[in-house]
Amino acid sequence: QSVLTQPPSVSGAPGQRVTISCTGSSSNIGAGYDVHWYQHLPGTAPQLLIYGNNNRPSGVPDRFSGSKSGTSASLAITGLQAEDEADYYCQSYDSSLSGVIFGGGTKLTVL
Amino acid sequence: QVQLQESGPGLVKPSETLSLTCTVSGGSISSSYWSWIRQPAGKGLEWIGRMYTGGSTNYSPSLKSRVAMSVDTSKNHFSLKLSSVTAADTAVYYCARGPAAEGFDYWGQGTLVTVSS
Repeated sequence: QSVLTQPPSVSGAPGQRVTISCTGSSSNIGAGYDVHWYQHLPGTAPQLLIYGNNNRPSGVPDRFSGSKSGTSASLAITGLQAEDEADYYCQSYDSSLSGVIFGGGTKLTVL
Repeated sequence: QVQLQESGPGLVKPSETLSLTCTVSGGSISSSYWSWIRQPAGKGLEWIGRMYTGGSTNYSPSLKSRVAMSVDTSKNHFSLKLSSVTAADTAVYYCARGPAAEGFDYWGQGTLVTVSS
């Protein structure tokens, strides 16, 4: 079981908005550690989508946005497109474990 | 553009040591953190450990007793050794740059390692 909790799956129709939650605790997100998000298509390398809670690397569309509050973080995707269908992972650091932690991943299905 | 490429045996026998190398191109391996991350089939990403090119290392508590990472700056590559492997270590292994304030910003394509006799 992952230290960061994500919903196993979310879905939405093209053009809609979806959010993916990432719930942690006082030893990771709640302690102020940054949250990063990755998009992972099967058979490919995970791609950094959001870093430092709400920053997009160059080349990532502004349809993707991140936020963080308390012990949780969220990834929002607006204007859903078929190409967004993938697995999404949140990642942070945990002081109790003294290491990097990932969420269990969320599979996004575009209906 | 920084590129990472994993290499190593795709099949390892139980109880033996898994050895992988990640070659970095398009940039220097120096002055950065580098990590290994794995993904068993049907499961999520699991961080194995990180190392700084100055030599310091941090490993996942669950794997710490079996993991060793090293770097060869002259060859611009870093390596992973995981000892006493079992079927549970079967996974796609990724190398990545990070963690950093920018997360893991560059990843290798991943290499499947199967533990089987």
